[in-house]
Amino acid sequence: AQKITQTQPGMFVQEKEAVTLDCTYDTSDPSYGLFWYKQPSSGEMIFLIYQGSYDQQNATEGRYSLNFQKARKSANLVISASQLGDSAMYFCAMREVTGNQFYFGTGTSLTVIP
Amino acid sequence: DGGITQSPKYLFRKEGQNVTLSCEQNLNHDAMYWYRQDPGQGLRLIYYSQIVNDFQKGDIAEGYSVSREKKESFPLTVTSAQKNPTAFYLCASSSSGTATGELFFGEGSRLTVL
Repeated sequence: AQKITQTQPGMFVQEKEAVTLDCTYDTSDPSYGLFWYKQPSSGEMIFLIYQGSYDQQNATEGRYSLNFQKARKSANLVISASQLGDSAMYFCAMREVTGNQFYFGTGTSLTVIP
Repeated sequence: DGGITQSPKYLFRKEGQNVTLSCEQNLNHDAMYWYRQDPGQGLRLIYYSQIVNDFQKGDIAEGYSVSREKKESFPLTVTSAQKNPTAFYLCASSSSGTATGELFFGEGSRLTVL
């Protein structure tokens, strides 16, 4: 079974609008971390936001927030006030406390339209 | 500045040749990883190492080899046995033994087989 599932291969959003990128995960580990990365066309992987499994509040970092719904095993990324520079691939990832592997989704390509 | 340095950034290889990609980190991380990314695709784990002198195969280790003689260094050799080596290769590191702590990535090495 897939550990991380991103069901949106491509998304479009109007500039200045908000957009939600979906991510669901699968683990039986009680302790885990969820991460979102941005990959622009240059190829570098940019860390955006982290959510721990025991965190009570949703994580926020500037225009990024993580909508964490533990019972649904969902960790959606919300980007508010989209900018043209937000156009990139976005990857959701999970890390379990057992072992040191990170599991990545297949990514969502976001295009911001002027 | 702390970070991960990958070299070379671009590499061309003739068929049948081995090539080694360098990865050095000064973040004092125990765990290091190599990922392969094909165009428009997600990240696939090649090898990872949790400690010096130890490493484990990832999902696509065939045709690749690694060594971890020093904490700071985790070179990847793409051997002639790798049938389709043209890809973007990303090295990463993280702290170990915890679900927190994101992956730090290098800028990547783009390998083209002529």
